[in-house]
This record gives sequence, structure tokens and C-alpha cells, in this order.
Amino acid sequence: AQTVTQSQPEMSVQEAETVTLSCTYDTSESDYYLFWYKQPPSRQMILVIRQEAYKQQNATENRFSVNFQKAAKSFSLKISDSQLGDAAMYFCAYSPTGNQFYFGTGTSLTVIP
Amino acid sequence: SAVISQKPSRDICQRGTSLTIQCQVDSQVTMMFWYRQQPGQSLTLIATANQGSEATYESGFVIDKFPISRPNLTFSTLTVSNMSPEDSSIYLCSGRGGTNMYQETQYFGPGTRLLVL
Repeated sequence: AQTVTQSQPEMSVQEAETVTLSCTYDTSESDYYLFWYKQPPSRQMILVIRQEAYKQQNATENRFSVNFQKAAKSFSLKISDSQLGDAAMYFCAYSPTGNQFYFGTGTSLTVIP
Repeated sequence: SAVISQKPSRDICQRGTSLTIQCQVDSQVTMMFWYRQQPGQSLTLIATANQGSEATYESGFVIDKFPISRPNLTFSTLTVSNMSPEDSSIYLCSGRGGTNMYQETQYFGPGTRLLVL
């Protein structure tokens, strides 16, 4: 069974500092997709970054980057130069095909001014 | 990214009644999905909305309780029937990316917050 684990229910970071959110997943597939979504209090789920498992290079999107370790089934999100607007719930998600999505339980990120 | 809208954005309903949530997506989306997010929890897939045919439900969700329609490519409805307080949740619609988008990515609507008294 595919599962996604986020072991940090809550994290905090000082504004302008860097924070890493962890995610591990379990799968027997070799090709799949991984995602980080952000859900601010407005509750809209916003795609932060995505990674295709067949690509060895870690995805980056401006201040957001991932550390994808396929053998370890680990997919952590690094947020650099944290901003107040980064405060939200962050969900890690796995999908083998783009249809069935499996979400982790989320990490609540607080940004301290 | 896809433009996905939902209405209503929130509602308060009496137990035993039904509520229909509408989801409109732009033409670039291929597949559509409905999720439930209970307070403080993660997302659970209810069903895949299939155009012109019956939705595909996940384990634990049934058509009688959550009838879904998708009469065309860009529109779907989810009805929460015979509601009880346990149905109080956020209901989210999503669309899978199509042309000119990440095609293995789901894009989400703003959600409908439902409170059942």
C-alpha cells in the first residue's frame, strides 16, 4: 500500500531563515510523481513544487527546493529566506499516475517575524 | 495553472437535508476529482468524476450518500445527502492538468466549508 508520512506536525522558522519539511513515502512503483502543496488559512490548496521520480535532479521553484532521495523514499522541502506569507499547512503528496493521489497528514509551518 | 471555482464557499445546513456543491474548471483540465478534508486532517479522495457516466468511488464512499455528476468536461457537482454532523468538512474539487499544464498534477478549487447542525 502506498503511504505518505510527514513526521513533523508543526514547524516554526524565523523570518528570512531556512526551514526543511520532511516527507517519506512507501511504494513499489519505479515511476511516480511527488508534490508539495501549501494550504494557507484561506484553505485553497496551492501547488508549491513537483518532482518526477525518473529525474535525478532535484526540482526548484524560486525559494523552494526539494531533496529527493529515491532509494530512501524521501522527499523533503526546503524553504529559503522564509517570508510571513509562507505560513501555512504543507502537504506532501505521492501519485503513481496523476489520478490517485496519496497525501500526508500535513505540517503546520509558523513564520516568526 | 488551472482555474477552478467552487460554490458555495461555505454553508450551514440542518441534519437530514442535502447540499449540492458545484465545481467549474477551465477547459485545460482533463479529469476531475472530489476530496473531503475533515477538520485538522489531510485530504481523502471521495471519487473520480467521469464525464457522462457514473463516478468511480473510493472505498468507504457510496453513490447514495455522495451522488456526483459531470455532464461535460468542465463542470461537476457533488451532493452530500441526508447530512449528519459527521459530514461537517471541507469538500474540495480538483482537476488534473491538461494541455500546456503539468499533466500529472492536480489543481484544487478553493473548497466548500460545510457545517451540519
